[in-house]
Amino acid sequence: GNSVTQMEGPVTLSEEAFLTINCTYTATGYPSLFWYVQYPGEGLQLLLKATKADDKGSNKGFEATYRKETTSFHLEKGSVQVSDSAVYFCALSSNTGFQKLVFGTGTRLLVSP
Amino acid sequence: EAQVTQNPRYLITVTGKKLTVTCSQNMNHEYMSWYRQDPGLGLRQIYYSMNVEVTDKGDVPEGYKVSRKEKRNFPLILESPSPNQTSLYFCASSPPGRGTNNEQFFGPGTRLTVL
Repeated sequence: GNSVTQMEGPVTLSEEAFLTINCTYTATGYPSLFWYVQYPGEGLQLLLKATKADDKGSNKGFEATYRKETTSFHLEKGSVQVSDSAVYFCALSSNTGFQKLVFGTGTRLLVSP
Repeated sequence: EAQVTQNPRYLITVTGKKLTVTCSQNMNHEYMSWYRQDPGLGLRQIYYSMNVEVTDKGDVPEGYKVSRKEKRNFPLILESPSPNQTSLYFCASSPPGRGTNNEQFFGPGTRLTVL
C-alpha cells in the first residue's frame, strides 16, 4: 500500500539556518504530494503541494520538488525563523479519485533565536 | 470565515461512557474525514464520507461510528470509549472532484483522554 517516510525529529536549528526535512514515499501510480504544517495548539494547514513529477511547490519561503526517480519530496527553506517552529507532515494522495491522505509521522522543528 | 469547527476541544471521560465529538464545516464541501494523531504514528484515518449518507471505514475504524445526515456535519461517536482511544482527533473536509489535487481543511483538533 501507499506509505510516507519522514526523518525523525526534533530538528533543532538557529534562526537563519538552512532547513531540510526529508520525505520519501511508496505509492502505485502517480500520487499528489503535500506538506502540511501544524503550529502549537492548532490544526494542520496546507503549506505546499505538487501534483506531478518535477513540479515544485513553494509557499512562505518553503520549497519542495516532486522527484519521481527518487520517490522523494524533501522540504527546504533557506533561512528559518523562530515562527517556523512547528510540526511538519509530508503526505500523499492517490490518483484513484478517493481523497484519502496518507501521512508521514511528522517532524518537529525547533528554531531558536 | 471559511472553517472547520470541532467541539469539544478538550474532553476527559471514563471508560464506557458514550461520547460524541461534533464537526461542522461552512464551505459546502462534500468530502469529510476523521483522523487520529498519536505520537510516532502521524495521522491515521478513522472514517470518511464522500457525501450525505455515504460513509466508509478508514484505516483504524474499530470502536468508532460516524453519521452524515447533513452536508455540513460529520460527528464522531464513541459508543464505549476505552483508554486506547486517548488521542488527538482531527476532522477535515475538502471540495468535490477527483481528489488528488484537493487541499483538505482541518479543524483545530479535539484532545480526548479516556481514564
